[in-house]
Amino acid sequence: GAGVSQSPSNKVTEKGKDVELRCDPISGHTALYWYRQSLGQGLEFLIYFQGNSAPDKSGLPSDRFSAERTGGSVSTLTIQRTQQEDSAVYLCASSFGMNGYTFGSGTRLTVV
Amino acid sequence: AQTVTQSQPEMSVQEAETVTLSCTYDTSESDYYLFWYKQPPSRQMILVIRQEAYKQQNATENRFSVNFQKAAKSFSLKISDSQLGDAAMYFCAQGGGTSYGKLTFGQGTILTVHP
Repeated sequence: GAGVSQSPSNKVTEKGKDVELRCDPISGHTALYWYRQSLGQGLEFLIYFQGNSAPDKSGLPSDRFSAERTGGSVSTLTIQRTQQEDSAVYLCASSFGMNGYTFGSGTRLTVV
Repeated sequence: AQTVTQSQPEMSVQEAETVTLSCTYDTSESDYYLFWYKQPPSRQMILVIRQEAYKQQNATENRFSVNFQKAAKSFSLKISDSQLGDAAMYFCAQGGGTSYGKLTFGQGTILTVHP
């Protein structure tokens, strides 16, 4: 597609449930990133995939968070046993080289 | 570790006037990139302008320009002839070098444009 697509756009889940967030990057972009944005805050790096290299998982806040990227394209961010502090907007971006990211519109996750 | 600091949580400007948003950063890299992103209420992050650190010339994109002071590690954004559509949260970001594509973002500046 023309842009980075994220789904769902909004997700409300009960505390303790698992959630999966999906990101479909721009075709041909070799890098894919997940960031988290809490209300009124900046962007917190979570994980970064670059081509076939091992992902940089240094930003994942706990072992409840994991992500995969299948076939060098679509990525899924999974949060297990969600907690209220996981409530945030999860932003995905893709890029080719250092031309700058193209962001998706994000998934707003609310844990109740 | 890389850090990016935006010292102005909020700024306001009158329509058609000029406003400057501040950003400072700290990095040990010699080759890196700097960016300004805009996030309107729709929450879609939009790239406003990009600067390569090895270039001395300041980047410009229409009404948007930067003042890049490498020695001072400063990267401010100037918006000329402000328009109502410029109202948004603006984020400064730095990346490249050994971090390659991973960007470090500042905390953002909320820009209000008054008619």
